[in-house]
Amino acid sequence: TQLLEQSPQFLSIQEGENLTVYCNSSSVFSSLQWYRQEPGEGPVLLVTVVTGGEVKKLKRLTFQFGDARKDSSLHITAAQPGDTGLYLCAGVSNYGGATNKLIFGTGTLLAVQP
Amino acid sequence: DAEITQSPRHKITETGRQVTLACHQTWNHNNMFWYRQDLGHGLRLIHYSYGVHDTNKGEVSDGYSVSRSNTEDLPLTLESAASSQTSVYFCASSEYQRELTLYNEQFFGPGTRLTVL
Repeated sequence: TQLLEQSPQFLSIQEGENLTVYCNSSSVFSSLQWYRQEPGEGPVLLVTVVTGGEVKKLKRLTFQFGDARKDSSLHITAAQPGDTGLYLCAGVSNYGGATNKLIFGTGTLLAVQP
Repeated sequence: DAEITQSPRHKITETGRQVTLACHQTWNHNNMFWYRQDLGHGLRLIHYSYGVHDTNKGEVSDGYSVSRSNTEDLPLTLESAASSQTSVYFCASSEYQRELTLYNEQFFGPGTRLTVL
């Protein structure tokens, strides 16, 4: 069974602080996605990283895929209250065939206080 | 605009009853998925479908069933609801993946909160 562990599970910070969320596994993934979920809604895709060592930036969010494609991190610079939500990483495994499934991480609940 | 909807948004039922949760998408996506979300577990896959008349078991499929009679709908049925099935259920859809190295975005519905008493 493939597992994705996220840390920390909960994070409460003040507006303007920086933070990093980690997503770790013992399994190799062909690519990895990050989703954000707000209360009462479904997750929404933020980014997909595909190549080992890849770094993608989305405004104040920086996503990195580990060299071995087993882990990933999300760094937020100068967090704002609008960043509040549940962040989920999801690994893509090639089970064979043309369509693959996502393995979701355990989630990190972020609260940014004004 | 294309969308994915779920109904009902909230449901309270009793142990042993059969419950069906609806999922409808207008994206014309081939792939549809059902997940449950519980604290500390993230999203876990229940069942999925790659097209009409195709269904597959996910990692937590016991006690659940699905059927796919058209492209737009994938209803999830709890055969005999148990308290352990109290959860938030999400339906998602995605395009057919033409390349192994490309993974398409999954679009999620707003969720159904199910309570089994």
